[in-house]
Amino acid sequence: AQSVTQPDIHITVSEGASLELRCNYSYGATPYLFWYVQSPGQGLQLLLKYFSGDTLVQGIKGFEAEFKRSQSSFNLRKPSVHWSDAAEYFCASSGGSYIPTFGRGTSLIVHP
Amino acid sequence: DGGITQSPKYLFRKEGQNVTLSCEQNLNHDAMYWYRQDPGQGLRLIYYSQIVNDFQKGDIAEGYSVSREKKESFPLTVTSAQKNPTAFYLCASIPGGGHTEAFFGQGTRLTVV
Repeated sequence: AQSVTQPDIHITVSEGASLELRCNYSYGATPYLFWYVQSPGQGLQLLLKYFSGDTLVQGIKGFEAEFKRSQSSFNLRKPSVHWSDAAEYFCASSGGSYIPTFGRGTSLIVHP
Repeated sequence: DGGITQSPKYLFRKEGQNVTLSCEQNLNHDAMYWYRQDPGQGLRLIYYSQIVNDFQKGDIAEGYSVSREKKESFPLTVTSAQKNPTAFYLCASIPGGGHTEAFFGQGTRLTVV
């Protein structure tokens, strides 16, 4: 069975600093990987996705993620964080069953 | 505009009552999903349906029931058998036939009073 691990429950960064949120997946074949963002009391919005090809994918709001098969990772990055980026971030994957599996989420706190 | 609509946004239930959460989509998606979200636990799958008139249990189906009589509708009933129903519930849909991103509703927050 596939699984997704986000090891960091909370991440605190200063506005303007760089950001990296970690995600590890467990799936035998090539996974389909996603990052979503959730504002309080709202649904999830897709930031970016990886299916195949170039391992560095660009998303909305200046986010990017890099797929590393050797490390089973799909970490999310942003070079300069804005206060409006404070939210909950979820990594997800879907394997052969077409059922999205989510990590537990990482809460991003941005200090001014 | 196409999207997924969940209603109501807030719902209060007395102990022993059944309540039904609505999820409607006009995206013409085949697959629909219900997730439960609790702080620090991510999204846990309750039920899913990949075609009309068929649905499957997810990881935490006990105390919940669903129906899929129409492609655009996938209501979730929280029964009195669900001992800890207070949570944020999210409905999602995916186009059929392949791996792609999920589209989410705005969620329903259910509170037991």
